[in-house]
Amino acid sequence: DIQMTQSPSFLSATVGDRVTINCKASQNINKYLNWYQQKLGEAPKRLIYNTNSLQTGIPSRFSGSGSGTDYTLTISSLQPEDVATYFCLQHNSGYTFGAGTKLELK
Amino acid sequence: AVQLVESGGGLVQPKESLKISCAASGFTFSNAAMYWVRQAPGKGLEWVARIRTKPNNYATYYADSVKGRFTISRDDSKSMVYLQMDNLKTEDTAMYYCTSGGTTSDYWGQGVMVTVSS
Repeated sequence: DIQMTQSPSFLSATVGDRVTINCKASQNINKYLNWYQQKLGEAPKRLIYNTNSLQTGIPSRFSGSGSGTDYTLTISSLQPEDVATYFCLQHNSGYTFGAGTKLELK
Repeated sequence: AVQLVESGGGLVQPKESLKISCAASGFTFSNAAMYWVRQAPGKGLEWVARIRTKPNNYATYYADSVKGRFTISRDDSKSMVYLQMDNLKTEDTAMYYCTSGGTTSDYWGQGVMVTVSS
């Protein structure tokens, strides 16, 4: 089974900051990596699919990159409404979520 | 608009069974693979089960943690997907989300809570 190691688990940042969240797979996942945002009390929402494709309706300040085993979600300029927990998901072989990154405002 | 509405959750004792349902609307259900994802209180997300479409023989897949205990099924005539949960354990306590979508689409229900406790 593929394991996903997400870091950091907690992140505190200021409005306007550039924020990066990382996921490392235990083996090559061929860019089959999605990113989700989950706000408190809500269902998850997909932001990015297949490493770097932006879901319709998602602001362009969100972007994804990576290949092989290493992937990154970047928020170019943090906004107050981005406070949430972020999860990565590999879907190359089965489905495995990362443990999540809780993002708060400093 | 696309809607996924889960129902049937509740409190059950260990080793008991429960069947939860998800009603879909607003998209061509019969063409869509369907999934269940769960989230234990205060924890992360865990994929539970997947069911493919009729052309793919309604193939099913399960997380190791539920294999042999949970059964996913669908009724295309009613646009419904189900999760039959048998021999429930306390560690199955979670919010269960019904989800679907493809490369460019992504749909989630609001979730249904299942609590397993004596």
